[in-house]
Amino acid sequence: GAGVSQSPSNKVTEKGKDVELRCDPISGHTALYWYRQRLGQGLEFLIYFQGNSAPDKSGLPSDRFSAERTGESVSTLTIQRTQQEDSAVYLCASSANTGGTGELFFGEGSRLTVL
Amino acid sequence: GNSVTQMEGPVTLSEEAFLTINCTYTATGYPSLFWYVQYPGEGLQLLLKATKADDKGSNKGFEATYRKETTSFHLEKGSVQVSDSAVYFCALSRAGGTSYGKLTFGQGTILTVHP
Repeated sequence: GAGVSQSPSNKVTEKGKDVELRCDPISGHTALYWYRQRLGQGLEFLIYFQGNSAPDKSGLPSDRFSAERTGESVSTLTIQRTQQEDSAVYLCASSANTGGTGELFFGEGSRLTVL
Repeated sequence: GNSVTQMEGPVTLSEEAFLTINCTYTATGYPSLFWYVQYPGEGLQLLLKATKADDKGSNKGFEATYRKETTSFHLEKGSVQVSDSAVYFCALSRAGGTSYGKLTFGQGTILTVHP
């Protein structure tokens, strides 16, 4: 597609359930990022994939969070045993990462509400 | 660690007013600095950037100058329009390296422009 696509756009779940969020990056973009935005706060880096290199998971807040990406395609962010503090908008971004222009292309986000 | 502090909003202006949104940062080395904008119903998109001290980024009438002596990157526009209503995010990334898109964001400033 023309832009970064995320699904679902909205997800309401009960505390303790697992959720999966999907990101389809711009075709040809080698780098993919997940960020989280909690209400009234800035974006927090979660995880970064670059090609076939080992992902940078330094931003994941706990071992309940994990993400996968196959090659340079779709990525899935999984949150296990969700907690109320996981409620946030989860944003995915991709970039061509050609020499470090710093321009990320963001999706519209997946809004997660944990009841 | 790196951090970005933005002027708190929301900011409400009349059309054709002058806009300043303050942004200061803390970082080691020589980071690159960015302003991202999120229009209603859309994903974040890069507005402008500066990669070294005294650089001025500009786009769509917006400007920001990388001031290393004051560790600032304030966003300005001489005459705002209703269509500028959006959320503005200041961000930085560490210089160079392969994780260029691992950005540190400010909390965002909501701008509303009235006719």
